[in-house]
Amino acid sequence: DAGITQSPRHKVTETGTPVTLRCHQTENHRYMYWYRQDPGHGLRLIHYSYGVKDTDKGEVSDGYSVSRSKTEDFLLTLESATSSQTSVYFCAISESREAGELFFGEGSRLTVL
Amino acid sequence: GQNIDQPTEMTATEGAIVQINCTYQTSGFNGLFWYQQHAGEAPTFLSYNVLDGLEEKGRFSSFLSRSKGYSYLLLKELQMKDSASYLCAVREKGGSYIPTFGRGTSLIVHP
Repeated sequence: DAGITQSPRHKVTETGTPVTLRCHQTENHRYMYWYRQDPGHGLRLIHYSYGVKDTDKGEVSDGYSVSRSKTEDFLLTLESATSSQTSVYFCAISESREAGELFFGEGSRLTVL
Repeated sequence: GQNIDQPTEMTATEGAIVQINCTYQTSGFNGLFWYQQHAGEAPTFLSYNVLDGLEEKGRFSSFLSRSKGYSYLLLKELQMKDSASYLCAVREKGGSYIPTFGRGTSLIVHP
């Protein structure tokens, strides 16, 4: 199994508070991704990174920011959490853009009250 | 942009064969992926098709027709552990090269 760990795995927070989710990989893969998964919507891309300090927006990036200061870590921040951001968040990695195959972390379940 | 369509839910009997369809519309096709996701777990890669035809991998096979914008995942000799969601994802040429996922098909296998 690919070495991907997400933290925290579960979090309950209140509207308006900042939240940071961490994704850590031990595979030295260049590409890292953050997805959210909601019933009826499937997996939707939030942000992705193609190298240290190189990031770009995905389909549902509003309200989220990311940072990647090291190859192994990709952080997702909700500056001011809203109830609509209650979701399961998955981090994924891939070796290259062309490889296509994504390896997913175990997911982080976030509840915003 | 892409439009990916899969049935929401399917049921099948243990030992049987089931076919999960995926249709898509894209401006520049560059590959189709199938993932399996058990409840409460991470998606895991099953197969990749970029050329027309059938790719077989054990009990699972995946088929692609680019001209029809159509793929299916075929599961043979169904087992209870095959109860899961099956996600179809399509990649386009150019841009980010990142696959876009369909909403997934929930497969329930009963005895």
